[in-house]
Amino acid sequence: QKEVEQNSGPLSVPEGAIASLNCTYSDRGSQSFFWYRQYSGKSPELIMSIYSNGDKEDGRFTAQLNKASQYVSLLIRDSQPSDSATYLCAVAPYSSASKIIFGSGTRLSIRP
Amino acid sequence: SAVISQKPSRDICQRGTSLTIQCQVDSQVTMMFWYRQQPGQSLTLIATANQGSEATYESGFVIDKFPISRPNLTFSTLTVSNMSPEDSSIYLCSVPGGAGETQYFGPGTRLLVL
Repeated sequence: QKEVEQNSGPLSVPEGAIASLNCTYSDRGSQSFFWYRQYSGKSPELIMSIYSNGDKEDGRFTAQLNKASQYVSLLIRDSQPSDSATYLCAVAPYSSASKIIFGSGTRLSIRP
Repeated sequence: SAVISQKPSRDICQRGTSLTIQCQVDSQVTMMFWYRQQPGQSLTLIATANQGSEATYESGFVIDKFPISRPNLTFSTLTVSNMSPEDSSIYLCSVPGGAGETQYFGPGTRLLVL
């Protein structure tokens, strides 16, 4: 079982709709969770971090965490073509607080 | 967040040669991380570079192939030795961020081995 799992996509969403990206993780003791956005040919850029159960909102982005289900998600409201990118879920396992384990990423395409 | 630069930004190399990638940070950090991202894949941690001690390598990566230097708290190098086409990847360095152990990435080095 992979430590951090994501659907590779591509996920195609019409402009203006809500894009929903999902991630599950295996280490139940994990404490920190991150979403990175990576445009083609660029390095990953941190867009959201979440540490406690529930929702965390930042502009059009909402991160959701459910530690009991070992599930973290990212919602993007009012999707724009500029949101088209690969989204990487990342988890900091309790066993190694300085390391981050990345999922394989979900390719998101926003169609006009 | 830290400002991170990498050199070179890209290179094309012949098999059997070696390339040294530099990573410079604008602030002092204890740890620096080196990742590889093969085409269409996610990030794989190669090693953690600590100042004043040997780098810690992840499973599948060895010092002879990827020697790392960490001469001070703002700089590190990764060498890709005896390259083969399978080493064609993006190589990224990163540093820890603030609370919660997030990481910030440099712009990456795009390596093509012929």
